[in-house]
Amino acid sequence: EAQVTQNPRYLITVTGKKLTVTCSQNMNHEYMSWYRQDPGLGLRQIYYSMNVEVTDKGDVPEGYKVSRKEKRNFPLILESPSPNQTSLYFCASSLYGLGVQGLAYEQYFGPGTRLTVT
Amino acid sequence: QQQVKQSPQSLIVQKGGISIINCAYENTAFDYFPWYQQFPGKGPALLIAIRPDVSEKKEGRFTISFNKSAKQFSLHIMDSQPGDSATYFCAASSLANAGGTSYGKLTFGQGTILTVHP
Repeated sequence: EAQVTQNPRYLITVTGKKLTVTCSQNMNHEYMSWYRQDPGLGLRQIYYSMNVEVTDKGDVPEGYKVSRKEKRNFPLILESPSPNQTSLYFCASSLYGLGVQGLAYEQYFGPGTRLTVT
Repeated sequence: QQQVKQSPQSLIVQKGGISIINCAYENTAFDYFPWYQQFPGKGPALLIAIRPDVSEKKEGRFTISFNKSAKQFSLHIMDSQPGDSATYFCAASSLANAGGTSYGKLTFGQGTILTVHP
């Protein structure tokens, strides 16, 4: 089954304790992205990756890191989490980045990771 | 800065009624307008999308109406069903300005929680 998986689905942690949220896709997609969803703000992009070893900042990258060492995996790293990073996080992937050759490639979202930082 | 404004925040409709969600954008370079549907505990999924060269697109009970001069677009759900109860996000992007292998960012609206009562 074609899918994007995230782990863990739920995480409660304390301020300053480093954590990693994993994301994996089995569709051989080149493009992957992380979003956070907050009430009243919709989805905001954190980081994205056009391909292996190619990453760039989205709208709200502060406090986050990513890496893309393999095509299928795109982990999100919070080196020193703070309470304002409490949110619902989504990983997404698509065949290519939106806008490649003027075409819109559908983004497939994972099930989400609900993170609480106390 | 919210470039895509979505309303209402929440909507309650009776079964069989019409649900209407509105979005307004500011960036005239936007040329791709998708709607995403999100069920509780799931990631968003592409529902329907439109390019500005048409004023309306219909897929089953779901219709996007697009008004380029007013910079507004809306989602109409005809014969709304309890199974349509979900959060709906509008989004916008510029595909034309992406070009080549560039990336076209999706800017999301704030989301609308739709409840359809049986």
